[in-house]
Amino acid sequence: EAQVTQNPRYLITVTGKKLTVTCSQNMNHEYMSWYRQDPGLGLRQIYYSMNVEVTDKGDVPEGYKVSRKEKRNFPLILESPSPNQTSLYFCASSLRQGSHEAFFGQGTRLTVV
Amino acid sequence: GESVGLHLPTLSVQEGDNSIINCAYSNSASDYFIWYKQESGKGPQFIIDIRSNMDKRQGQRVTVLLNKTVKHLSLQIAATQPGDSAVYFCAENNYGQNFVFGPGTRLSVLP
Repeated sequence: EAQVTQNPRYLITVTGKKLTVTCSQNMNHEYMSWYRQDPGLGLRQIYYSMNVEVTDKGDVPEGYKVSRKEKRNFPLILESPSPNQTSLYFCASSLRQGSHEAFFGQGTRLTVV
Repeated sequence: GESVGLHLPTLSVQEGDNSIINCAYSNSASDYFIWYKQESGKGPQFIIDIRSNMDKRQGQRVTVLLNKTVKHLSLQIAATQPGDSAVYFCAENNYGQNFVFGPGTRLSVLP
C-alpha cells in the first residue's frame, strides 16, 4: 500500500530535549516536505527536499533541521524544542516539486512543556 | 502555552443537500489550484485540482469552479454525506513551486 509513515504519532517532551520525528514513503517520490498545522493558520511549510541530499527552507524553518540521506526518508529534527513548537506536524511526499497530488502522513502531535 | 480554539470558517449542511465551500486566493500568477480534505485525526487527502486556464472541473460528486477575475475558488459537493464531514483546504501552486494552503473550512453534515 502506497503510504507516508510518520513516527511517533504523539509526543510530549520538555524544552531543550532534542527530538526527531521520522518520515518514510514507499512510492519512490522525489519530493518530500514537512508542514506544521496550527489553529486558524492552516498548513505552513517548514522544510522541503527535491531529492536526495537537496533540502531547502520553507516558510517557517526556524528551530528545525532536516536531512535527506535516502530517497524514502526525511526526518525532522528539533535540536532544542521550545513551547512555541507545540503543533501538529505532517510529512508529505509527491512525485516531484509542483506535483498536484501530495500524499500526507497521519501526523505527529507534539507538545513541548 | 495557552491553547487557542479553532477559528475556522464553518459550514453546516443537511445530509443530501449540496455543499459549497469557498476560498479566496492571493497570487494571480498561480497556475494550479488544489482542494484537499482532512478528516479528524488524519492527514490531508487530495480531492481535485484545476488549472488556471479552466473555469470548471468535475470529479466524482465534486465540482471545482475558478473565478480568476475575483481570485475565488469554490468546491461544490453534491448530495453531501456524513463521510464528507471534514476540514477542506484550498491550495495554490505557482508553476512548480511549493503549495500555499488556505486556513481551511470545517464542513459538518447534519443528519
